[in-house]
Amino acid sequence: SSELTQDPAVSVALGQTVRITCQGDSLRTYYASWYQQKPGQAPVLVIYDKNSRPSGIPDRFSGSRSGNTASLTITGAQAEDEADYYCNSRDSSGYLLVFGGGTKLTVL
Amino acid sequence: QVQLVQSGAEVRKPGASVKVSCRASGYTFTSYDINWVRQATGQGLEWVGWMNPNSGHTGYAQKFQGRITMTRKTSISTAYMELSSLGSEDTAVYYCTRAIWPNLDVWGKGTTVTVSS
Repeated sequence: SSELTQDPAVSVALGQTVRITCQGDSLRTYYASWYQQKPGQAPVLVIYDKNSRPSGIPDRFSGSRSGNTASLTITGAQAEDEADYYCNSRDSSGYLLVFGGGTKLTVL
Repeated sequence: QVQLVQSGAEVRKPGASVKVSCRASGYTFTSYDINWVRQATGQGLEWVGWMNPNSGHTGYAQKFQGRITMTRKTSISTAYMELSSLGSEDTAVYYCTRAIWPNLDVWGKGTTVTVSS
């Protein structure tokens, strides 16, 4: 079983704000990274470290952390944001990685 | 541009081994860890392990300990992942990724490994 827990599915109306969460004890110590995966494609890193975006990722994507929960927020969701989103972080040992189970985002 | 090019699809029988390659270009191969992640059809991402191409040091997820080996050939900027004692549960797409630990910032397109009798 995963050490990081995500809701299986979330939906958002077009243009609205949605938050996708990831819970785990290791998140009290380590930041989460977030990945977007569209059908048939490799994942893409969208948020890393405290709240950093790789080049080319729109600024409507942001990250935060509170206690044992990391969050990915999409402010003004677009149709092209419909995808699976995965968090990952170090495990409790700090030397290995673990992924959350993923959240399927539907944009209505 | 920075990219990771993976080897082609593989089909193996149960109990066999498979070796997948990942060739890096557009950056200094020895400056970034390579991680491997797999995904069974319709399932989530599963972290497999990491390798430091400079030192050769590795770290593997516990469930793969004893049947996985990650190696590299620095002269051709290529990383390898070999998984042995294959079972049907190992059928998946295997991705290599570049890591600025623990962030996986560049991904290969994936290699499909099918285990079937």
